[in-house]
Amino acid sequence: QSALTQPASVSGSPGQSITISCTGTSSDVGIYNAVSWYQHHPGKAPKLMIYEGTKRPSGVSNRFSGSKSGNTASLSISGLQAEDEADYYCCSYAGSNTWVFGGGSKLTVL
Amino acid sequence: QMQLVQSGAEVKKTGSSVKVSCKASGYTFTYRFLHWVRQAPGQALEWMGCITPFNGNTDYAQKFQDRVTFTRDRSMSTAYMELSSLRSEDTAMYYCARSQYGGNIKDAFDIWGQGTMVTVSS
Repeated sequence: QSALTQPASVSGSPGQSITISCTGTSSDVGIYNAVSWYQHHPGKAPKLMIYEGTKRPSGVSNRFSGSKSGNTASLSISGLQAEDEADYYCCSYAGSNTWVFGGGSKLTVL
Repeated sequence: QMQLVQSGAEVKKTGSSVKVSCKASGYTFTYRFLHWVRQAPGQALEWMGCITPFNGNTDYAQKFQDRVTFTRDRSMSTAYMELSSLRSEDTAMYYCARSQYGGNIKDAFDIWGQGTMVTVSS
């Protein structure tokens, strides 16, 4: 099972919006409405930000949103804040009770 | 509150095995899958597999299938991950994570343990 493809790095200034893409295949992202996104600050446990492609858990800011088109899912963050600086990972169900993560994207808030 | 608490850091020799525990509290242990995810230094998160605490069924990522074993103790609400034939590339932070639903293709990982650092050296 190959990792999902994410850009290695993205950046934006405070207040701006950014989008992180996550490209899979018709065997994972494309066929299942089951992409989740995680925010990971160094030294801490990952935090669930988006599930089922577009849904936010309770307590997650509405500045975070998810979408999907074909084999590519996306995470958008609006109104960038300094505390958003972190690594972001997508994850998808990949069939036969297996899951696959993306390679991760490092977000820098300039 | 709902949480997963993992065992402490380990230092192991090449070729040996390591067993990491993950104790659940604040929810019914048997109702949610438990997944294991690792992150080697400077690398991405990597899904290793999962266990169904209710009946002990396991699913492993192909990469780890020959070397990893997941078990659980329902009476202790604790899951275990044992990795054998350790090599330097297994040096990583190992996390347990709870499935959001009861084991569903739409599952996400909503609660994570604090991580257990495993260092492998010769």
